[in-house]
Amino acid sequence: NAGVTQTPKFQVLKTGQSMTLQCAQDMNHNSMYWYRQDPGMGLRLIYYSASEGTTDKGEVPNGYNVSRLNKREFSLRLESAAPSQTSVYFCASSEDPGQGYNSPLHFGNGTRLTVT
Amino acid sequence: AQSVTQLGSHVSVSEGALVLLRCNYSSSVPPYLFWYVQYPNQGLQLLLKYTTGATLVKGINGFEAEFKKSETSFHLTKPSAHMSDAAEYFCAVRSWSSYKLIFGSGTRLLVRP
Repeated sequence: NAGVTQTPKFQVLKTGQSMTLQCAQDMNHNSMYWYRQDPGMGLRLIYYSASEGTTDKGEVPNGYNVSRLNKREFSLRLESAAPSQTSVYFCASSEDPGQGYNSPLHFGNGTRLTVT
Repeated sequence: AQSVTQLGSHVSVSEGALVLLRCNYSSSVPPYLFWYVQYPNQGLQLLLKYTTGATLVKGINGFEAEFKKSETSFHLTKPSAHMSDAAEYFCAVRSWSSYKLIFGSGTRLLVRP
């Protein structure tokens, strides 16, 4: 059972270049998330998708766009990369919350992005 | 707004000693609380979660946490540390009405031989 799969694992970009981070889950989860992790700051939510066809901004959405391609896939795009976007990016998914949002998130192994 | 505070960015213990990682939350309503562990170059793995019911929650790898509403705390403990417990630990909070999972800044646990 693969869980949450992220590609690529590593990426180096020059300032101004664009790229898309891919994420797919095979757990039939409705909700998917993109976080970034920076030293001493924990994880911060960039965007999330409560269900197929919907997306919402998180804490730090500026400079990013997302696409919920179908129930399995949720991609994150950097249109014009900046050094401040150097980070580790994690995709996650969770079950439909039902009566409350008590479902844990399941994480991929991350994409390490460096922008020079 | 919800927030999570983890006291101590680094905690060092000897192998076999008690592990105590502190987490305090602020929330206007009783939240759902989680502890995650992150090993080097890996994603986050769920250790345990508190939703409702028993306030002492047992997780994987011998860890447990106690929800104390009066202290707004959810501290993580393990009676005897093992070298394999060396990792970064994150406390996280989620309200009953929100998709957003809010993380603390993390505590790196070092285990000395």
